[in-house]
Amino acid sequence: DSGVTQTPKHLITATGQRVTLRCSPRSGDLSVYWYQQSLDQGLQFLIQYYNGEERAKGNILERFSAQQFPDLHSELNLSSLELGDSALYFCASSLTSGGAYGYTFGSGTRLTVV
Amino acid sequence: AQSVTQPDIHITVSEGASLELRCNYSYGATPYLFWYVQSPGQGLQLLLKYFSGDTLVQGIKGFEAEFKRSQSSFNLRKPSVHWSDAAEYFCATLDSNYQLIWGAGTKLIIKP
Repeated sequence: DSGVTQTPKHLITATGQRVTLRCSPRSGDLSVYWYQQSLDQGLQFLIQYYNGEERAKGNILERFSAQQFPDLHSELNLSSLELGDSALYFCASSLTSGGAYGYTFGSGTRLTVV
Repeated sequence: AQSVTQPDIHITVSEGASLELRCNYSYGATPYLFWYVQSPGQGLQLLLKYFSGDTLVQGIKGFEAEFKRSQSSFNLRKPSVHWSDAAEYFCATLDSNYQLIWGAGTKLIIKP
């Protein structure tokens, strides 16, 4: 157990739907990062929050959004889902706003869009 | 811009044999360098990291990596692999904003 909790572990939904993925960071970590991993795109950084504020943005689609709450857990919202959004979505956390000490990853949410 | 190259997409090694996974980085100053491992169906786990100091870094699970500035490399090694080492290995560095830049990964296959 890495200390980063992601729910749900698996999600199957239809095209056009909206889903929310949840992440609880390791205790004491202030940063949360969201990644998408697919066979054809590899590991893609989506977005980072640090202590409730957006810190960095990567290749995140406009249909996707995220937030970090006062208790530091984070949610990734994916809307108007397309088949190509099927992927593993990882959350990672770190103590600081940067990755100098390394990230701790959750075990991911596997999203299947049918 | 900083980048990380892992030239080998797949590596096949016999169980008990030695392993070396290659990683090259591009960055002018002394880089922050990392190796992560991803077992099938799992998240990524930090194996080891290098910031400064001794260029030979010891990590978890019997892995080590050596930073070679002259070759811009940070290769991961293990003297004797076990079937449980079969996984995908990612090299990474930090960019100027302290965000991780990832290599494409190397999938390690272990032959019995």
